[in-house]
Amino acid sequence: AQSVSQHNHHVILSEAASLELGCNYSYGGTVNLFWYVQYPGQHLQLLLKYFSGDPLVKGIKGFEAEFIKSKFSFNLRKPSVQWSDTAEYFCAVNGGAAGNKLTFGGGTRVLVKP
Amino acid sequence: GAGVSQSPSNKVTEKGKDVELRCDPISGHTALYWYRQSLGQGLEFLIYFQGNSAPDKSGLPSDRFSAERTGGSVSTLTIQRTQQEDSAVYLCASSFAQGVSTEAFFGQGTRLTVV
Repeated sequence: AQSVSQHNHHVILSEAASLELGCNYSYGGTVNLFWYVQYPGQHLQLLLKYFSGDPLVKGIKGFEAEFIKSKFSFNLRKPSVQWSDTAEYFCAVNGGAAGNKLTFGGGTRVLVKP
Repeated sequence: GAGVSQSPSNKVTEKGKDVELRCDPISGHTALYWYRQSLGQGLEFLIYFQGNSAPDKSGLPSDRFSAERTGGSVSTLTIQRTQQEDSAVYLCASSFAQGVSTEAFFGQGTRLTVV
């Protein structure tokens, strides 16, 4: 079955530390990849997306993600986090063998200590 | 409208009652999703509508849950004979079904509390 896996459920780090969140999917074919963020008390919003082209995509708030097709991965990174990056982050995939339905990973809660 | 609108924003109901949750998607979006988010849990897929195709109901947790989408726009999620474990935030999202902009846009959710 098609699935999306996020390896870290909880991440705690200090301001200015670097962040990397893992995401792997099990779909075949050409996929579209997304990272969503949910800040405390707010609704889910798109952080960045990959459809084609340069596998390194840049999103809002200094986030970037790299699509590595051979590893079925789409890891999210930020070189230097801020307290305001405290949120839950979700990886999502559609396309390929799964069709258009968007499937989410289990999410990673990130706590940035001031 | 400008975004996905869900109503009500909060709903408290007694165990055993039926509830209806409404979602108004972004105009022109042909795909519509319902998810459930319980405290401390991730996003649980419930149902997916795409255009005129038969909906993907594979995520509905029991036959007490049903959803419809009338006229390809507004959707209603109905939970019959609510149970305490149904308490959660119910999220609706919509998107274009094809092309390069298939990212989903989410509503603020309906927080359902079953007492």
